[in-house]
Amino acid sequence: EVQLVESGGGLVKPGGSLRLSCATSGFTFNSHSLTWVRQAPGKGLEWVSSISSSSSYIYYADSVKGRFTISRDNAKNSLSLQMNSLRAEDTAVYYCARSWTSFEYWGQGTLVTVSS
Amino acid sequence: EIVMTQSPATLSVSPGERATLSCRASQSVSTNLAWYQQQPGQAPRLLFYGASTRATDIPARFSGGGSGTDFTLTISSLQSEDFAVYYCQQYNNWPRTFGQGTKVEIK
Repeated sequence: EVQLVESGGGLVKPGGSLRLSCATSGFTFNSHSLTWVRQAPGKGLEWVSSISSSSSYIYYADSVKGRFTISRDNAKNSLSLQMNSLRAEDTAVYYCARSWTSFEYWGQGTLVTVSS
Repeated sequence: EIVMTQSPATLSVSPGERATLSCRASQSVSTNLAWYQQQPGQAPRLLFYGASTRATDIPARFSGGGSGTDFTLTISSLQSEDFAVYYCQQYNNWPRTFGQGTKVEIK
């Protein structure tokens, strides 16, 4: 069974940093690209960042470019999102998902709240 | 950036009736289009990829179609579990973009 489990969310002050993790199992991790998608409270889905299977290709939404860094550890079957210079508008549930085309498998999400 | 526009924003339908949701892309995405269903408090669920290919375990009452810039999701006979928010998403170009969603509510 494919599983993705996010962790690392929480309350952080504007300008602060947070690192999200996504632990995966049930599939050949190093054969799949991965993606972060977020959803602000009561709002729609927003693609954040994607990374290829070998980390050779990385893409970011303009809204997070220069502040967020996606990475993966193929030895540990895990995906990360380092979030710096956080803003109130980054408040959202962050989901990790398998692939970078259509997303069949999603985690349950982790809530990030940016507030003073 | 490709802008995805969904209509209507809200669709009020009675159980058993047919629902048709639309998604329009600001430029052609070929058939690189996915549809998702999201229930409150849950992660999205993939319904279709390639515009019309049903994902695993998606009932036949759901159908998807279109290509280029205009796409539709049809639910032939709404069941109680189908009342949810539906999103389209293009994966033809970077950045990946989602529509703003259509809420299907009980009439």
